[in-house]
Amino acid sequence: EAQVTQNPRYLITVTGKKLTVTCSQNMNHEYMSWYRQDPGLGLRQIYYSMNVEVTDKGDVPEGYKVSRKEKRNFPLILESPSPNQTSLYFCASSFPPDTQYFGPGTRLTVL
Amino acid sequence: AQKITQTQPGMFVQEKEAVTLDCTYDTSDQSYGLFWYKQPSSGEMIFLIYQGSYDEQNATEGRYSLNFQKARKSANLVISASQLGDSAMYFCAMRRISGGSYIPTFGRGTSLIVHP
Repeated sequence: EAQVTQNPRYLITVTGKKLTVTCSQNMNHEYMSWYRQDPGLGLRQIYYSMNVEVTDKGDVPEGYKVSRKEKRNFPLILESPSPNQTSLYFCASSFPPDTQYFGPGTRLTVL
Repeated sequence: AQKITQTQPGMFVQEKEAVTLDCTYDTSDQSYGLFWYKQPSSGEMIFLIYQGSYDEQNATEGRYSLNFQKARKSANLVISASQLGDSAMYFCAMRRISGGSYIPTFGRGTSLIVHP
């Protein structure tokens, strides 16, 4: 089954404790991206990757890191999470510029 | 810069009736794609329908159709014969097709509630 998976689905953590949200797709898509969704603001892109070892900033990259060492994986790293990073996070993939397929989302709470 | 505007924060519709969700966009690009996504209360983002800027026909996918008016820069989603399961947030989005960044732009969404 073609899908984008994210883990964990839910995470509660404390300020400053490094965390990684994993994202994996099995569709051989070149393009992967991370979004955050906040009430009233819609989806905003954090980082995207056009292919392996090629990443670039989206609209709201501050406080986040990514890496793309393999085509199927695109982890999101929060080196020192802060409460303003409490949000719903989505990973997505596609053959650009086609339809993006989204993962199930990760609800992150930073206390 | 691209911009998507969804002017309806919330919409209500009776079951089995049709409903139109508005979306206007602004771009200087000639080639672009327009998308609609559905987000139910469970949180996942579900792709509904796609329209390319050069497509002459309006896109349709089952009960969903996209009323594309290029001159007006509008891409409204029409849901025919609404069902209770259509209650969700709906997001309009656009993306450049050729040259440069493929960063998509999303609207802020419209909450649709379908009444029995």
